Amino acid sequence: NAGVTQTPKFQVLKTGQSMTLQCAQDMNHNSMYWYRQDPGMGLRLIYYSASEGTTDKGEVPNGYNVSRLNKREFSLRLESAAPSQTSVYFCASRTQGIYNEQFFGPGTRLTVL
Amino acid sequence: GQQVMQIPQYQHVQEGEDFTTYCNSSTTLSNIQWYKQRPGGHPVFLIQLVKSGEVKKQKRLTFQFGEAKKNSSLHITATQTTDVGTYFCASNDYKLSFGAGTTVTVRA
Repeated sequence: NAGVTQTPKFQVLKTGQSMTLQCAQDMNHNSMYWYRQDPGMGLRLIYYSASEGTTDKGEVPNGYNVSRLNKREFSLRLESAAPSQTSVYFCASRTQGIYNEQFFGPGTRLTVL
Repeated sequence: GQQVMQIPQYQHVQEGEDFTTYCNSSTTLSNIQWYKQRPGGHPVFLIQLVKSGEVKKQKRLTFQFGEAKKNSSLHITATQTTDVGTYFCASNDYKLSFGAGTTVTVRA
């Protein structure tokens, strides 16, 4: 099992450009998440998807859109990138039940110039 | 905003010493999770605590959930260079709110 995979690993954009970050998991998890991580800020939730066909906003959704393409895939789109979106983006999926740990992907390091 | 607050933000430890990092919430938590992130890596699940007053150990790491289920602690004994990284606690509501983390550096 590959777990959670993310592409690309690194990306540099110019202000105003758009791009989609891809995420896939092979653990048959229902729930998937997108976080951004900035120095000293911990992990902040952008969007999540409780199950295929549903998405909901997290703490910092402005400037982002998501698509839960199927049970495996959850993509994050930046329509018009801004320097404030320079960050490390992590995708995660989560088991169900009482002990429901999150499994994180390796991250995408995005720089917006 | 974040539901859980972590202190300290940074912890500089001499190799071989012990230290504790704390996670506090203003509300009662159903349970709490701890994650570790190595420099340049991604968060990795360490443990989940569910019961009031629960204590769990993983080798040199001891995790505790407060009696009121509003705080948690992680105690590391005999710190090693492999303990370097950032330790996050997370409240297990549906959106899994993370604390800002405690970043640990070790002096050899």
